[in-house]
Amino acid sequence: DAKTTQPNSMESNEEEPVHLPCNHSTISGTDYIHWYRQLPSQGPEYVIHGLTSNVNNRMASLAIAEDRKSSTLILHRATLRDAAVYYCILRRYYGGSQGNLIFGKGTKLSVKP
Amino acid sequence: DVKVTQSSRYLVKRTGEKVFLECVQDMDHENMFWYRQDPGLGLRLIYFSYDVKMKEKGDIPEGYSVSREKKERFSLILESASTNQTSMYLCASSFPSVQETQYFGPGTRLLVL
Repeated sequence: DAKTTQPNSMESNEEEPVHLPCNHSTISGTDYIHWYRQLPSQGPEYVIHGLTSNVNNRMASLAIAEDRKSSTLILHRATLRDAAVYYCILRRYYGGSQGNLIFGKGTKLSVKP
Repeated sequence: DVKVTQSSRYLVKRTGEKVFLECVQDMDHENMFWYRQDPGLGLRLIYFSYDVKMKEKGDIPEGYSVSREKKERFSLILESASTNQTSMYLCASSFPSVQETQYFGPGTRLLVL
């Protein structure tokens, strides 16, 4: 799987939007971009994924650059419960099972009241 | 909601003991995974399984074995626990698909004395 690069940490104020960047300059055409997050003392949880188009769900939005070499996870209004480590992961689709997720170090998001 | 449960949240064992960590999922998922998580190293895959009685080595299988006798249950076995196996152990499951969201359990924090 191709490598991703994320900032080690970011800070946000409560109720404000947060943009978490991810660079993946070696992405290939069949790589899907997945985001997971891990709250303190919990297992990781799925947030969102996309291939080429921007995606929205109840948790977040995913904006994918036109050349797909970077993406941004957007939390529209950060809450204290969004404080977590956010992981950007590339998954290559071969058909059938995709196997394990390769987690990098992620971005630790702090949210200030 | 998908539920992945792990047999213990916290476990303390002595060096040389045989340790069993159990994971159960209730969504009839084909795939199951065992990861360990250590500070500064992120999540690393130990073993995974695509079906009953099938297993594949991950990145760090040494000192571990697994068992999958039933689809919903995946066990991780430390044959002879050592202090360097002190870690957080995370189980996950998924259904093979393009998206293949992995659902994680809450983790077992194992301390080997």
